[in-house]
Amino acid sequence: SQTIHQWPATLVQPVGSPLSLECTVEGTSNPNLYWYRQAAGRGLQLLFYSVGIGQISSEVPQNLSASRPQDRQFILSSKKLLLSDSGFYLCAWSEGAGETQYFGPGTRLLVL
Amino acid sequence: RKEVEQDPGPFNVPEGATVAFNCTYSNSASQSFFWYRQDCRKEPKLLMSVYSSGNEDGRFTAQLNRASQYISLLIRDSKLSDSATYLCVPRTGNQFYFGTGTSLTVIP
Repeated sequence: SQTIHQWPATLVQPVGSPLSLECTVEGTSNPNLYWYRQAAGRGLQLLFYSVGIGQISSEVPQNLSASRPQDRQFILSSKKLLLSDSGFYLCAWSEGAGETQYFGPGTRLLVL
Repeated sequence: RKEVEQDPGPFNVPEGATVAFNCTYSNSASQSFFWYRQDCRKEPKLLMSVYSSGNEDGRFTAQLNRASQYISLLIRDSKLSDSATYLCVPRTGNQFYFGTGTSLTVIP
């Protein structure tokens, strides 16, 4: 069966510091991978998605970037965090057309 | 125009009640449809897919009207454990569009 891991679970970082969040999927090959952010009391905002290694689509221009160095690894990064980057970061994966999407447990980020 | 619109609620219903949620989507090219539930401070989890002919999973019934671009979820015999936010999610190509969700609280 497939599982998706995210770490860390929680993170408190100062403004201006860098960020690296990692997501890995097990039990599937060539998944579509996604990064979302959910601000407190708000809906999910798609940040990036990837259909293959090295292929990244950015949905929202901001100070975040994503990379997919391996088939089942998706990394979200920032060189300098802003206060507005605080939120709940969720990684998700899906398979082919029509298939549903499954989420990791998320990382709760607080930028102070 | 938002991709997905849902009544945010909150819906507060007694145990055993029947409750219905509605959702409209804007992209007529959407191919697949889902309902997710999200518990407080947790990740969304798939509740059920929505098929054109309508489908049922235990106490939950989902309906899709492609002509009206409208999706519904009916919950019968509500349980305390049904308390959550319910998210309507159409899929277009590789992208999933999440509504802001409808909050449900089932009261003893």
